[in-house]
Amino acid sequence: GAVVSQHPSRVICKSGTSVKIECRSLDFQATTMFWYRQFPKQSLMLMATSNEGSKATYEQGVEKDKFLINHASLTLSTLTVTSAHPEDSSFYICSADSSNPSSYNEQFFGPGTRLTVL
Amino acid sequence: GENVEQHPSTLSVQEGDSAVIKCTYSDSASNYFPWYKQELGKRPQLIIDIRSNVGEKKDQRIAVTLNKTAKHFSLHITETQPEDSAVYFCAASSDTGNQFYFGTGTSLTVIP
Repeated sequence: GAVVSQHPSRVICKSGTSVKIECRSLDFQATTMFWYRQFPKQSLMLMATSNEGSKATYEQGVEKDKFLINHASLTLSTLTVTSAHPEDSSFYICSADSSNPSSYNEQFFGPGTRLTVL
Repeated sequence: GENVEQHPSTLSVQEGDSAVIKCTYSDSASNYFPWYKQELGKRPQLIIDIRSNVGEKKDQRIAVTLNKTAKHFSLHITETQPEDSAVYFCAASSDTGNQFYFGTGTSLTVIP
């Protein structure tokens, strides 16, 4: 149980285009999902908290108009990188809160999406 | 916000030796401290976690200790094996929002 998927796994796009990344909880409902960005050989940096049915909460320094987050259902959150530029190239990983009371606090991570902007 | 520091950034040990990775955190409200192992290009995998009401937790060759007063926690891997080689991240979170703040990572190499 507690499987999180991401799509696509890899995407290459031209500078100036927008890219949508999907994060799905496959066998549980997630009222809260999180989006992280990871540059090569660096740590996971929390970008935003995605709450089902409400606006996302962004971490300081993360542009909300550039990284659009939509959490339309209890199993799906999307991250759209708008007008992507080469500096947005990174590994984007989502995670979902555990809904199991016995593993409260635990987050389940998706496999990540490698974005390359040319 | 929470600030998590992790040391060392790289660690090499001989197979069979122990490895210790240390983290400190700044937010006294943090009460959940997971450790993740991440292989290149893959998702982080939870290897052990500890909550603030416990000082130590052990799972076979892996143990974690927590000192709430000093705001630091450590990962201990005993009898290391080559397959333990990976990048390890600590993290801290609180019940308020459950956002995870990760340490900077430790690249562990176990030399056969």
